[in-house]
Amino acid sequence: AQKVTQAQTEISVVEKEDVTLDCVYETRDTTYYLFWYKQPPSGELVFLIRRNSFDEQNEISGRYSWNFQKSTSSFNFTITASQVVDSAVYFCALSALTDSWGKLQFGAGTQVVVTP
Amino acid sequence: GAVVSQHPSWVICKSGTSVKIECRSLDFQATTMFWYRQFPKQSLMLMATSNEGSKATYEQGVEKDKFLINHASLTLSTLTVTSAHPEDSSFYICSARKLAGADTQYFGPGTRLTVL
Repeated sequence: AQKVTQAQTEISVVEKEDVTLDCVYETRDTTYYLFWYKQPPSGELVFLIRRNSFDEQNEISGRYSWNFQKSTSSFNFTITASQVVDSAVYFCALSALTDSWGKLQFGAGTQVVVTP
Repeated sequence: GAVVSQHPSWVICKSGTSVKIECRSLDFQATTMFWYRQFPKQSLMLMATSNEGSKATYEQGVEKDKFLINHASLTLSTLTVTSAHPEDSSFYICSARKLAGADTQYFGPGTRLTVL
């Protein structure tokens, strides 16, 4: 069974500060995919990134960056120079290849509050 | 892009009535669609997996006679909450996936159901 842990319930920062969201996962599969989604107050989940288990390269997209470390089963997400529009709940999710339906196992989510 | 729509975005109904929620993939054909339920300040809970032309696969604890799912085409899945009761009040979100396996799921904007 898959499990995703986001230990941080809520993080509050002042605008322009960096914020790092932790994600730790558990799976017995050797092939799996990791995702991050953003859920702003409107409710819609916005896809941010998908990473497969064989690609440990870190990725940067604008102010967003991701650090994938298989040795610690972590897939952390950093927002650099945060902005008020970054305020949202962020979910980390895992999908195992052996699950033919590709079901997503979500973490509990981390609420990010960015104040001006 | 990959756009998924849901209709209605919100609905208020009386106890005992049935409510139908539509999920459409607007710019791609979805082999699989998923239905989730989300309670306030909680993560997403998968209710069922829906494949076009076949019966939906329900997660443990989800009443299939209560939550009827129809996936009539590659771009449309519907969730009908039958004989709704106040405890069915929730945020329902669908997602759609282009390819089989662990391809990215794209989410709709969600439907807020309130049962009086």
